[in-house]
Amino acid sequence: GENVEQHPSTLSVQEGDSAVIKCTYSDSASNYFPWYKQELGKRPQLIIDIRSNVGEKKDQRIAVTLNKTAKHFSLHITETQPEDSAVYFCAAKDQGGSEKLVFGKGTKLTVNP
Amino acid sequence: NAGVMQNPRHLVRRRGQEARLRCSPMKGHSHVYWYRQLPEEGLKFMVYLQKENIIDESGMPKERFSAEFPKEGPSILRIQQVVRGDSAAYFCASSPLVQPNEQFFGPGTRLTVL
Repeated sequence: GENVEQHPSTLSVQEGDSAVIKCTYSDSASNYFPWYKQELGKRPQLIIDIRSNVGEKKDQRIAVTLNKTAKHFSLHITETQPEDSAVYFCAAKDQGGSEKLVFGKGTKLTVNP
Repeated sequence: NAGVMQNPRHLVRRRGQEARLRCSPMKGHSHVYWYRQLPEEGLKFMVYLQKENIIDESGMPKERFSAEFPKEGPSILRIQQVVRGDSAAYFCASSPLVQPNEQFFGPGTRLTVL
C-alpha cells in the first residue's frame, strides 16, 4: 500500500517569510495529493490539492508542486502570517481500489510576529 | 449548506463500555470515511462506506470495532468494550459521488476512556 513521508516535523518562520513543507510517496500510481491545515482542536481543512496530470497549482499565497518522477510534492506558503500557524498534513490517495487517503505525520508550522 | 456533522463532540467512557460515534455527511455526499488521530500524530484511515455498503475496512481493528452507513440516518462507528488505547479523536469525512477524491472533514469526536 501507499506510504507517505513528511518533512520537517516542525517549522518556525518569521512573519513575511516563506515556508516549504515536503512529502514523498511510495506508489507511483497515486494520482491525487491534497494538503490539509489543522488548527489546535479543530477539524482538518482542505487548503489545496493537485492531481498527477499537472505539475503546479497556485491559490493566492499557497502553491503545491508535484514531481511524479521523484514521487514527491511540496507545499509553499509565501508572505506567511501568524494565522498560518497550524499543523499541515499532506496525503496521497491509495491506488489499491479504495478512495482512502494516506496521510503524512504532519508539520507544525509556527509563524512568529 | 451545512458541513459534515459529528456527534457527540466529546465522549467519556469507562473501560468495558460501548462508544457510538455518529457522522452525517454533507448534503449530496454519498461517501463516508472514518479516520483516527492519536495525540501529536497524523490521521489513520479506518473504514470507507457508501450507503448500505462497506467498501474498504482495511484500517479497522479486527475486534470490537464496527461501522455502518444505513440507507437512512447517519453513519455510525461503534466501539465495543473500550480500552484506554481507544482514546483518540475520531474524524469522519465525506465526499461527493462525482469527485470522490475531495474529502471534507467533520469536527471530530474526542473519545476519552477512563
